[in-house]
Amino acid sequence: KQEVTQIPAALSVPEGENLVLNCSFTDSAIYNLQWFRQDPGKGLTSLLLIQSSQREQTSGRLNASLDKSSGRSTLYIAASQPGDSATYLCAVGNNNDMRFGAGTRLTVKP
Amino acid sequence: NAGVTQTPKFRILKIGQSMTLQCAQDMNHNYMYWYRQDPGMGLKLIYYSVGAGITDKGEVPNGYNVSRSTTEYFPLRLELAAPSQTSVYFCASSYGTGNYGYTFGSGTRLTVV
Repeated sequence: KQEVTQIPAALSVPEGENLVLNCSFTDSAIYNLQWFRQDPGKGLTSLLLIQSSQREQTSGRLNASLDKSSGRSTLYIAASQPGDSATYLCAVGNNNDMRFGAGTRLTVKP
Repeated sequence: NAGVTQTPKFRILKIGQSMTLQCAQDMNHNYMYWYRQDPGMGLKLIYYSVGAGITDKGEVPNGYNVSRSTTEYFPLRLELAAPSQTSVYFCASSYGTGNYGYTFGSGTRLTVV
């Protein structure tokens, strides 16, 4: 059974800092890995999707990496802004299912 | 382009009542999913469907039922609501596995009292 873990559970940084969120998974036989953002009381917004054959994806200030062999993914956020404050969820896609981590709650202080 | 639409956004049920959570997508996605999210936890899969007429259980199906008569709609039925079903429910859709990510609805917050 695929288990997805996100560390840390919560993170607080000053504005402008670069930061890394971590995601680990137990079964390397994945189809893809997706990072989502969730604002309080809202749904999930897709940030980046990495296929199993890819090693990273970039969108603006966000960069996500994937290392299947070690069961790890990172989400790098450059020059953080208060508007980046949210919970970030990592999800690993297997056949007909996507398993989610519990998320990292990020607070960026002005 | 509406994407995935869920109704209602909020609902309070009494123990033993039943209700249907609605989910519709306009992207012609074959795959649809129902997840629940409990506070501080990740999302857990309740049921999924790979196409009209085909449904299957996920990780936490007990107390729920689904149907998929058309590509667009994937309602989730709660029979005999229990306090343990208090949660936020998310519907998602995808073209398929592999190269395709998920698109989520905005959620239904359900409280059973």
